[in-house]
Parts: sequence; C-alpha cells; structure tokens
Amino acid sequence: EAQVTQNPRYLITVTGKKLTVTCSQNMNHEYMSWYRQDPGLGLRQIYYSMNVEVTDKGDVPEGYKVSRKEKRNFPLILESPSPNQTSLYFCASSFQPGLLYEQYFGPGTRLTVT
Amino acid sequence: AQTVTQSQPEMSVQEAETVTLSCTYDTSESDYYLFWYKQPPSRQMILVIRQEAYKQQNATENRFSVNFQKAAKSFSLKISDSQLGDAAMYFCALSNDYKLSFGAGTTVTVRA
Repeated sequence: EAQVTQNPRYLITVTGKKLTVTCSQNMNHEYMSWYRQDPGLGLRQIYYSMNVEVTDKGDVPEGYKVSRKEKRNFPLILESPSPNQTSLYFCASSFQPGLLYEQYFGPGTRLTVT
Repeated sequence: AQTVTQSQPEMSVQEAETVTLSCTYDTSESDYYLFWYKQPPSRQMILVIRQEAYKQQNATENRFSVNFQKAAKSFSLKISDSQLGDAAMYFCALSNDYKLSFGAGTTVTVRA
C-alpha cells in the first residue's frame, strides 16, 4: 500500500530534550516536506527536500533541522524543543518537485513540549 | 510571497443542502495549482479537488465543484447534497515552485 508513515504519532517531552520525528514514504517520491498545523493558522511549511541531499527552508524553519540521506526518509529534528513548538506535525511527499500537483500526507504527529 | 485567505472560520449546512466555502489567494506566479483538502476528526489530510491555473474549466469531483476566478484570485468550493461524512475542516491551498501554502481552514458542520 502506497503511504507516508510518521513516528511517533504522539509525543510529550520537556523543554530542551532533543527529539526526532521520523517520516518514510514507499512511493519513490522525489519531493518531501514537513508542515506544522496550529489553530487559526492552517498548515505552514517548515522544510522541504527536492531530492536526496537537497533541502531548503520553508516559511517557519527556526528551531528545526532536517536531513535527506535516503530517498524514502526525511526526519525532522528538534535539537532543543520549546513550548512554542507544541503543534501537530505532518510529513508529505510528492512524485516530483516543481508544481505540487498532489501531495500524500502522513497521519500526523501530535507533539507537546512542556 | 504567496498567501491564502479563508474568511469563514465556520460554516453550517443542513444535510442534503449545498454549502460554499470561500478562498482568495495572492501570488505573483502565472502558473500554479490550487487545492481543497479535507481534514476529518481523524486528522488525515485528504485531497478533495485540484485546479490547474491554466485551465479555465472549473474542476468537478462528484458532489464537489469549484468556482475558479483567476482574475479575481478566488477559488471557492461548493459541496452539493451535503452528507454527514462531509463534516470536517477544509483547507484551501496554493502551490507553485516548491512550496505549498494553506489557508487557516473552515470548519464545516452538517446538521441532520
């Protein structure tokens, strides 16, 4: 089954404790992206990757890191989480960069930072 | 920079009736895509409908249709014959280059 998976689905952590949210897709997609969803703000793009070893900032990259060492994986790293990073996070992938005619979304990760 | 605005935080519709969700956007690009995504309580993002900016014909998917007004930068979604399963948050989104920008969302409730 074609899908984007994220782990963990739920995470409660404390300020400053490094964490990684994994994202994996099995569709051989070139393009992958991370979004955060906050009430009243919709989804905002954090980082995206056009292919292996090619990443770039989205609209809200501060406090986040990403890497793309393999085509299928695109982990999101929070080196020192803060309470303002409490949010719902989505990973998504698309067959190709350029015009994103369709993105496949993961199930979301609910992160709480206390 | 590109922006997407959904001016209706909430909409309510009677089952079997029609509801229209508004979306306006701003972009300097001439080539782009517009989308409506549905997010039910499960939080899964589900693509409802897609419109290519270079196509004048409005997209339709079963009970879902759009009214795309390129000059006015408007992209509304019409849900006909509303069903209880249509209750969700709906997001309008705009893509060009490598970015996808979303509106704040409209919560649709369906009254039985």
